[in-house]
Amino acid sequence: DVKVTQSSRYLVKRTGEKVFLECVQDMDHENMFWYRQDPGLGLRLIYFSYDVKMKEKGDIPEGYSVSREKKERFSLILESASTNQTSMYLCASRPTGTGVTEAFFGQGTRLTVV
Amino acid sequence: GENVEQHPSTLSVQEGDSAVIKCTYSDSASNYFPWYKQELGKRPQLIIDIRSNVGEKKDQRIAVTLNKTAKHFSLHITETQPEDSAVYFCAASRDFYTGNQFYFGTGTSLTVIP
Repeated sequence: DVKVTQSSRYLVKRTGEKVFLECVQDMDHENMFWYRQDPGLGLRLIYFSYDVKMKEKGDIPEGYSVSREKKERFSLILESASTNQTSMYLCASRPTGTGVTEAFFGQGTRLTVV
Repeated sequence: GENVEQHPSTLSVQEGDSAVIKCTYSDSASNYFPWYKQELGKRPQLIIDIRSNVGEKKDQRIAVTLNKTAKHFSLHITETQPEDSAVYFCAASRDFYTGNQFYFGTGTSLTVIP
């Protein structure tokens, strides 16, 4: 069974804090993604990575950065948290190749910035 | 980039009736179209997918159709049951090494009334 695990289910942080959201997958997938989920807006891509140390901006990268030092781990960083970053954050991973193309999601981190 | 639109945003049906959710996409290079179901408080999970070389795919009560020319695809659920109540997301993707991120629709909240 593929497992994508996010380090926290719920987080409460103060405005201006630096926040780290961690995601680990155990299936040796090349690709990892960070999405933000807000009501009525669906899942919006923040950043993704197709290989170790590689990263690409998604649709809403402003205010975020990422790190992928190891294949299994993909971190999302909020450099200076703001209240408009209060949201549900979902990590996903997916293998490269045309055979198996499903993306697997973590359980989500609900972040509240106060 | 890709733009995926999904309709309707909410859908209520009587148990036993059919439900149809429609999506359109903009990038003709997209070739993989998954549908995810997200139950309340849970992670999105794949329920069915279709590739661009196939026009229709069925799995028990769930079917997906794809019209490449019109760039739209639809999810059909027949004989709906209360456990089908969830948020459904469509997505589009390409199988390129550096560009296989998913672009999601904004979601459809389906309620099946017993």
